[in-house]
Amino acid sequence: GAGVSQTPSNKVTEKGKYVELRCDPISGHTALYWYRQSLGQGPEFLIYFQGTGAADDSGLPNDRFFAVRPEGSVSTLKIQRTERGDSAVYLCASSLRAGPYEQYFGPGTRLTVT
Amino acid sequence: GQQLNQSPQSMFIQEGEDVSMNCTSSSIFNTWLWYKQDPGEGPVLLIALYKAGELTSNGRLTAQFGITRKDSFLNISASIPSDVGIYFCAAPNRWSGGGADGLTFGKGTHLIIQP
Repeated sequence: GAGVSQTPSNKVTEKGKYVELRCDPISGHTALYWYRQSLGQGPEFLIYFQGTGAADDSGLPNDRFFAVRPEGSVSTLKIQRTERGDSAVYLCASSLRAGPYEQYFGPGTRLTVT
Repeated sequence: GQQLNQSPQSMFIQEGEDVSMNCTSSSIFNTWLWYKQDPGEGPVLLIALYKAGELTSNGRLTAQFGITRKDSFLNISASIPSDVGIYFCAAPNRWSGGGADGLTFGKGTHLIIQP
């Protein structure tokens, strides 16, 4: 079956621009997670959704970061006024609501802010 | 916030050798997870542990949930070239009981196999 997909796979943008990163979870998975991974580090939690609502957004670094999941399936991570420090791989994962913590990851979007 | 400390940072081994790595924390957890990440890919779940003292195997991989609930161990037997990659431990940010929560990851153990 299809896994988690993320688009684009690579995104290069200029400092100050707005970007949107998309995640398509595994069909039937109600929980969706966003992480950010910098070089040489483990993934860092940003936000997770249970259905359409953000159940925990405590990992978002500041108010330039925002995520939505309007229909409880596809999610978009939005970054305003990008900064060079936002450059990283943004990973999305999904899990069955009933499956304890077994999160399945997509390949990530590599964001480069120049 | 909670931190997961993985060791060693990297391992250089010969093909066929056994591998051991661990993950420790000052916090107590009810769940430990082990993931492997290949270059350009997202992490792939290897083993999930839910009970202190639990020992779980997945092929040549065996993981243990430490009895203190503050650590976990991963062993790989008879390593092969495709075992190369970065191994991460992870634990839930909070024990919500609801089965879905963000994860905290360690910094990873890089496994390199020398021919």
